[in-house]
Amino acid sequence: QVHLVESGGGVVQAGGSLRLSCAASGFTFKSFAMHWVRQAPGKGLEWVALIWYDGSNTHYADSVKGRFNVSRDNSKNTIYLQMDNLRPEDTAVYHCARPYSMWSGYYFSDWGQGAQVNVSS
Amino acid sequence: DTQMTQSPSTLSASVGDRVTITCRASQYISDNLAWYQHKPGKLPKLLISKASTLHSGVPSRFSGSGSGTDFTLTISSLQPDDFATYYCQHYDNYCTFGQGTKLDFK
Repeated sequence: QVHLVESGGGVVQAGGSLRLSCAASGFTFKSFAMHWVRQAPGKGLEWVALIWYDGSNTHYADSVKGRFNVSRDNSKNTIYLQMDNLRPEDTAVYHCARPYSMWSGYYFSDWGQGAQVNVSS
Repeated sequence: DTQMTQSPSTLSASVGDRVTITCRASQYISDNLAWYQHKPGKLPKLLISKASTLHSGVPSRFSGSGSGTDFTLTISSLQPDDFATYYCQHYDNYCTFGQGTKLDFK
């Protein structure tokens, strides 16, 4: 059974930093690309970032490019999202998400419960 | 980046109705499109991938169609459990979600 658990959320002032973690279990973590997706209050889903299975490639939404950095530690079955220079519009629940299979496109069958990030102005 | 536009933003319907939600991509994405159902306090649920392939366990009243830039999600006969927000998502080159369609009671 796939299990994804985020941690590290909290309240931070604008311009500050937070680091989210997503601990994975129940599947061969090192074989899967992993993603971060967020949902701001009253808003829809927004894809944030992607990291390849081996960490060799990453990609970001334009809204976070240059401020967020995604990484992973396959020895710990964990991905991270380092968020710097946070803005009030980054306030959201951040989910890690796993694609349906190692060979499928980047659509998501499994989601973590999410970590709440609140950025105050 | 490819933008996804859903319509309508809100849809009011009754149990038993047939409803259709549309999703348009700003550029060609082949059939690299997924649909999700999302209810408050729950995690998004994958309904359809490759524009028309029903995910395991999803009721057959859900169907998807389209290719290229224009796509539809159809629910053939609405059930009480179907009232939720629906999102399309392209995965042709990375990912983008549509803005969502809220399906509520008429």
